[in-house]
Amino acid sequence: AQSVAQPEDQVNVAEGNPLTVKCTYSVSGNPYLFWYVQYPNRGLQFLLKYITGDNLVKGSYGFEAEFNKSQTSFHLKKPSALVSDSALYFCAVRPFTGGFKTIFGAGTRLFVKA
Amino acid sequence: DTAVSQTPKYLVTQMGNDKSIKCEQNLGHDTMYWYKQDSKKFLKIMFSYNNKELIINETVPNRFSPKSPDKAHLNLHINSLELGDSAVYFCASSQDQPHDGYTFGSGTRLTVV
Repeated sequence: AQSVAQPEDQVNVAEGNPLTVKCTYSVSGNPYLFWYVQYPNRGLQFLLKYITGDNLVKGSYGFEAEFNKSQTSFHLKKPSALVSDSALYFCAVRPFTGGFKTIFGAGTRLFVKA
Repeated sequence: DTAVSQTPKYLVTQMGNDKSIKCEQNLGHDTMYWYKQDSKKFLKIMFSYNNKELIINETVPNRFSPKSPDKAHLNLHINSLELGDSAVYFCASSQDQPHDGYTFGSGTRLTVV
């Protein structure tokens, strides 16, 4: 079965420190990978995606993500966290030949402390 | 301009009632989706339409019926509402390519009492 795992329910980090939000996936073939962010009482917003090429992709608000094919991971990173980064983060996978269906992880809540 | 708009934002209703949620996108996207987000924030695909054609129909009760009058609109009608239907329902749209991300609406919080 195809799945996306976000092993941490919550990540706590101090402002100014680097942050990592983890994501691993189990999908046949080469999928497209995405990160979305959800602020309270809002819809999800697209952050970044991996299609092909360079394993490090850059996205909105200073976020980046590293694709690792051998570990089937796509971790979200930011060199210096801001309090305003506190939100719910979703990893998502869209199989290359899976039609229109995107599979979302369960979400990781990021809490950045001032 | 709001890209994907949903109405209403909040909906409180009694068990057994029938209600509809409307969604419109002005992005020119060909594909639209309904997702349900439960109290634990887990997102589950319900339906998807591509150019008014139903392409994803997950295992949801047949009390839920999507309707797409044109490719810019995807509505969700729910009959005989139950307590377990309480959730936030998100509409989203995307282009046709699998590497295209989604644009989400701001959600409709449905509370069944």
